[in-house]
Amino acid sequence: NAGVTQTPKFQVLKTGQSMTLQCAQDMNHEYMSWYRQDPGMGLRLIHYSVGAGITDQGEVPNGYNVSRSTTEDFPLRLLSAAPSQTSVYFCASSYSNKNTEAFFGQGTRLTVV
Amino acid sequence: DAKTTQPNSMESNEEEPVHLPCNHSTISGTDYIHWYRQLPSQGPEYVIHGLTSNVNNRMASLAIAEDRKSSTLILHRATLRDAAVYYCILRGTTNAGKSTFGDGTTLTVKP
Repeated sequence: NAGVTQTPKFQVLKTGQSMTLQCAQDMNHEYMSWYRQDPGMGLRLIHYSVGAGITDQGEVPNGYNVSRSTTEDFPLRLLSAAPSQTSVYFCASSYSNKNTEAFFGQGTRLTVV
Repeated sequence: DAKTTQPNSMESNEEEPVHLPCNHSTISGTDYIHWYRQLPSQGPEYVIHGLTSNVNNRMASLAIAEDRKSSTLILHRATLRDAAVYYCILRGTTNAGKSTFGDGTTLTVKP
């Protein structure tokens, strides 16, 4: 049981490049979310999904796209990377039941130069 | 969505109890109170959660005020490994999948 797996762990992009951060979970969780964490700050919600085919925006969605074609995977796409998107990105998953815990990946550290 | 308020930082001595407060005055009747912690360079990890009654597990205890407008995470004997950022969040019927985190409380444990 791998839990929540994020790839890559580290990435350096040039301004204007695009890329996809991968997130996969093997717990059959309905809910998945993407957060970003800037240095010394808390987590801010980018996008989330309550099930396959259903996504919605969080607090800071601009510059990011998501899709959820399967229960297991929830990729985050950066369309045209900007230095302001330099951050650590965390993916989380949980059952829909609010009486259950959320599980987080180990994060992807992204630097945009 | 209901928000939570936590102190920015707290200090504790090793092997002493730590009480981490959280205010959630706009909590709805069906929101669960969850606590997570984030060790340096790691993703957040679950600590404990509850609805109305006080809760205990192997990591910590959660004391919930009778009016549910505040709660306290209790670490009974702090160790150096407990130094982390602690987040208090609410998970409800409509927001369980989009929980928002504040800046949390940075706990420093002194030897």
